[in-house]
Amino acid sequence: QVTLRESGPALVKPTQTLTLTCTFSGFSLSTSGMCVSWIRQPPGKALEWLALIDWDDDKYYSTSLKTRLTISKDTSKNQVVLTMTNMDPVDTATYYCARLADDSDAFDIWGQGTMVTVSS
Amino acid sequence: QSVLTQPPSVSGAPGQRVTISCTGSSSNIGAGYDVHWYQQLPGTAPKLLIYGNSNRPSGVPDRFSGSKSGTSASLAITGLQAEDEADYYCQSYDSSLSGSKGVVFGGGTKLTVL
Repeated sequence: QVTLRESGPALVKPTQTLTLTCTFSGFSLSTSGMCVSWIRQPPGKALEWLALIDWDDDKYYSTSLKTRLTISKDTSKNQVVLTMTNMDPVDTATYYCARLADDSDAFDIWGQGTMVTVSS
Repeated sequence: QSVLTQPPSVSGAPGQRVTISCTGSSSNIGAGYDVHWYQQLPGTAPKLLIYGNSNRPSGVPDRFSGSKSGTSASLAITGLQAEDEADYYCQSYDSSLSGSKGVVFGGGTKLTVL
């Protein structure tokens, strides 16, 4: 059974750096074709793709946020980490990690999400 | 503004059929990229509903179907049920987002079952 779970702070202050961890099970990110992505959703708004890392350690970022994002993986721990610098109240959102299915390029399994509020 | 355009809301009575459109352009849907659909029930994470334009993952009822033509795609729900009330998102890829994986989502459509 494939599962993903996000963890990180519920509250960060403006200008701080956010670090989120996605811990997954049921698959290995060292397997060819496997990818994990981060997606966020501000309250009452649409989904927004943030970043993706693949089995070969290739990394991709949203063009609008790429200067603030860093994605990395620890294959031995089955974890993917996202850092976002210079947090602002507009970054308040639920942050999801999701697996990208290698046979369809769809996000087939999602974590439950973690809500992050940016406020002083 | 989302790269993929969806109607903000649709509604239908139980048992009826509703469709949700997802309109893109020549750099995404029109370029041949597949469209995927997600269902987000209130307070929960999105769930894959349709992949590869028209394929249903195991466990998704055949009341849900997807199609794609030109620069648009559609999600159809027949035999509408109260539990179908949710937000629905389309997703594809865009070749104009250089240096990025090009993942794009629609703005989402809220389905209300009357």
